Amino acid sequence: DGGITQSPKYLFRKEGQNVTLSCEQNLNHDAMYWYRQDPGQGLRLIYYSQIVNDFQKGDIAEGYSVSREKKESFPLTVTSAQKNPTAFYLCASQRRGGELFFGEGSRLTVL
Amino acid sequence: GESVGLHLPTLSVQEGDNSIINCAYSNSASDYFIWYKQESGKGPQFIIDIRSNMDKRQGQRVTVLLNKTVKHLSLQIAATQPGDSAVYFCAEIYNTDKLIFGTGTRLQVFP
Repeated sequence: DGGITQSPKYLFRKEGQNVTLSCEQNLNHDAMYWYRQDPGQGLRLIYYSQIVNDFQKGDIAEGYSVSREKKESFPLTVTSAQKNPTAFYLCASQRRGGELFFGEGSRLTVL
Repeated sequence: GESVGLHLPTLSVQEGDNSIINCAYSNSASDYFIWYKQESGKGPQFIIDIRSNMDKRQGQRVTVLLNKTVKHLSLQIAATQPGDSAVYFCAEIYNTDKLIFGTGTRLQVFP
């Protein structure tokens, strides 16, 4: 089945550690996105990529990094520089001019 | 540091009633609009979309209305059911790939 897969679904991190969230899609979409969602709030854009080997900062990129070495994959690293990383992270892909398809999310908790 | 997001507005309806969720979009050049439904702990799911050359589109139990004059989008849900309880987001797209999400509305359905 075509879709977008995020892993892990739940992740715990100690303060000062970097963690990487995986996002894979087999929809052959060029564009991919990472959003952060805090409890009871909307979606905030972290990074996006419209083509392989290229990506741009979103509204809240500080403390995060991404790579786009393959069309299918857009991993997000939450670095130790991110002061408040506990949140729900959503990855999405988009065909040009169309709607976004979202993964099921990854919930990161800092202990 | 990061800006603090606004908490979501809530719409409470009785089961069987019709629901109307509203969204004001920001860019008069936006030409494609989407409504998403997000259940607790899950990724947003596509509900219905509409292009700017239309003012109304109907799906199963859902209708989207577009008023370009006042930059307003609404989602109507007929005969609201408990399974409709979720957060609903509108999104606008302009220049083919620039996507903006609204802040979202929480729909609560009471028996």
